[in-house]
Amino acid sequence: SQTIHQWPATLVQPVGSPLSLECTVEGTSNPNLYWYRQAAGRGLQLLFYSIGIGQISSEVPQNLSASRPQDRQFILSSKKLLLSDSGFYLCAWIKRGSTDTQYFGPGTRLTVL
Amino acid sequence: DAKTTQPPSMDCAEGRAANLPCNHSTISGNEYVYWYRQIHSQGPQYIIHGLKNNETNEMASLIITEDRKSSTLILPHATLRDTAVYYCIVRVHYNQGGKLIFGQGTELSVKP
Repeated sequence: SQTIHQWPATLVQPVGSPLSLECTVEGTSNPNLYWYRQAAGRGLQLLFYSIGIGQISSEVPQNLSASRPQDRQFILSSKKLLLSDSGFYLCAWIKRGSTDTQYFGPGTRLTVL
Repeated sequence: DAKTTQPPSMDCAEGRAANLPCNHSTISGNEYVYWYRQIHSQGPQYIIHGLKNNETNEMASLIITEDRKSSTLILPHATLRDTAVYYCIVRVHYNQGGKLIFGQGTELSVKP
């Protein structure tokens, strides 16, 4: 069966520090991968998605970047965090050729102080 | 992708059916209706999806009107664990890399 992992689960970082969040998927190959952010309350915002290694599409201009160095690994990064980067970050994947259902990871809660 | 409109919140008594409406009056013929839910501090969870026929699975039923301009998600016997935000999303099957555009959803509170 397929599983999706995210780490760390929680993170507290000072303003101006770098960021690296990691997402990995097991049990499938060549998935589409997605990064979402959820600020205070509800409302998930799609940040990036990738349909293959090295292929990244950015949905909104921001302080963050994404990379996909391996087929089942998706990384969200920042060189200098802003207060507004605080939020709940979710990684998701989709199995190609199936019912097109997205499966989400457990999320990383980031607090920038 | 078509926009959706959902009530911001609803209450339901435990054991009763929860009926969550969604309006999608600008839906196109090739767009599906998807439902996800998000329990507090967890990632969203897929519930069900459909094109024009009613659908049922172990979690819920999806009723789509004949003109496809609205739909209802039915949780037949709501439990306290069904308390969550429910999102109705309308999009073309596997559009633009399978992106999901989430709205504000409906916050369902199941009460004992």
